[in-house]
Amino acid sequence: DSGVTQTPKHLITATGQRVTLRCSPRSGDLSVYWYQQSLDQGLQFLIQYYNGEERAKGNILERFSAQQFPDLHSELNLSSLELGDSALYFCASSVESERDTQYFGPGTRLTVL
Amino acid sequence: GNSVTQMEGPVTLSEEAFLTINCTYTATGYPSLFWYVQYPGEGLQLLLKATKADDKGSNKGFEATYRKETTSFHLEKGSVQVSDSAVYFCALSPNYGGSQGNLIFGKGTKLSVKP
Repeated sequence: DSGVTQTPKHLITATGQRVTLRCSPRSGDLSVYWYQQSLDQGLQFLIQYYNGEERAKGNILERFSAQQFPDLHSELNLSSLELGDSALYFCASSVESERDTQYFGPGTRLTVL
Repeated sequence: GNSVTQMEGPVTLSEEAFLTINCTYTATGYPSLFWYVQYPGEGLQLLLKATKADDKGSNKGFEATYRKETTSFHLEKGSVQVSDSAVYFCALSPNYGGSQGNLIFGKGTKLSVKP
């Protein structure tokens, strides 16, 4: 158990809909990262937050957004969903002094029908 | 840009066989290098890491050496077990500015170990 929790574990929805994925980092970690794992694109970095502020963006679509709240949990919002958004979405967290040592949650599997 | 290339799988071995999974990278500057493992139905776990040239990361019998001259970070284990069956990801983290910590992953190599 990494200490990072993600909910829900599975999500099935329809094209055009909007969903919210939630992540709680390890206790004390201020940095949160979101990754997408799909069969065709592999594992891709989406976005990073540090103590409530966006720090870096990767290959995140404009239809996707995220935020980190004062209690440090983070949410990834996916809107106008397309079939190709079906994937595993991972959240990871780290301490500031070791940003490249990240602890991953179990992931949320999103299926868009 | 930054990228990671690792050998295609799947790799199937018998228990106690020697394992090598090749990984090469392209990066600006001096990245940190990692191997992550993903067991079925689980998230990724950090297996080992190396932060500078000639460093050797090791954990649970696995090891990998950061070779700057060949831009490689090959994963090895002398004697695999059935419990090592998983998908292994090579990754790098740029060590500059705001990109530090934004892991760039290879495609993953699925390892199956037969008893």
